[in-house]
Amino acid sequence: AQSVTQLGSHVSVSEGALVLLRCNYSSSVPPYLFWYVQYPNQGLQLLLKYTTGATLVKGINGFEAEFKKSETSFHLTKPSAHMSDAAEYFCAVILLGSGNTGKLIFGQGTTLQVKP
Amino acid sequence: EPEVTQTPSHQVTQMGQEVILRCVPISNHLYFYWYRQILGQKVEFLVSFYNNEISEKSEIFDDQFSVERPDGSNFTLKIRSTKLEDSAMYFCASTRWTGVEQYFGPGTRLTVT
Repeated sequence: AQSVTQLGSHVSVSEGALVLLRCNYSSSVPPYLFWYVQYPNQGLQLLLKYTTGATLVKGINGFEAEFKKSETSFHLTKPSAHMSDAAEYFCAVILLGSGNTGKLIFGQGTTLQVKP
Repeated sequence: EPEVTQTPSHQVTQMGQEVILRCVPISNHLYFYWYRQILGQKVEFLVSFYNNEISEKSEIFDDQFSVERPDGSNFTLKIRSTKLEDSAMYFCASTRWTGVEQYFGPGTRLTVT
């Protein structure tokens, strides 16, 4: 079955440090890939997406992610963490092919803690 | 900027009661979705809706659930007889085309007592 796996339910970094949130997917064909962020008591906001084209995609708030087909990965990075980045991050995919209704399949989420 | 809205933001109901969660998708979008997130768990797909009919539903979306687009703007999720395990945050999302980003509403927190 197709799935999305986020390694690490909690990640803690110091302010100014590199942020790396891992996401791997399993699918017979490369899906469309997304990262969403959820701040406390808020809805889901799109950070960035990969559909086709350049495999390194840049999103809002200084985040970027690289699609690596050979590794079936779509890890999220940010060079320097800010306190305001503390949130829950969800990797998600849309599977392509016949019968695709565009539903998102989410990973378990990673809580990012940023320490001063 | 257009946004998806949801009402109410929080609903408390007793077990066995019916609830209707309301969503107003972005006006030119064609595909509509409901997701739910049980506290501390991942976001789960419930149902997708296109051209006034359900296009896909998950195992969670049993006979107790129904969706409707009663007019040109609202998209509703009805739970006929709520159970304790229906307590969750329910998100509505919409998009113009499948395969592109979905825009999420702020969610309705449903508490079943």
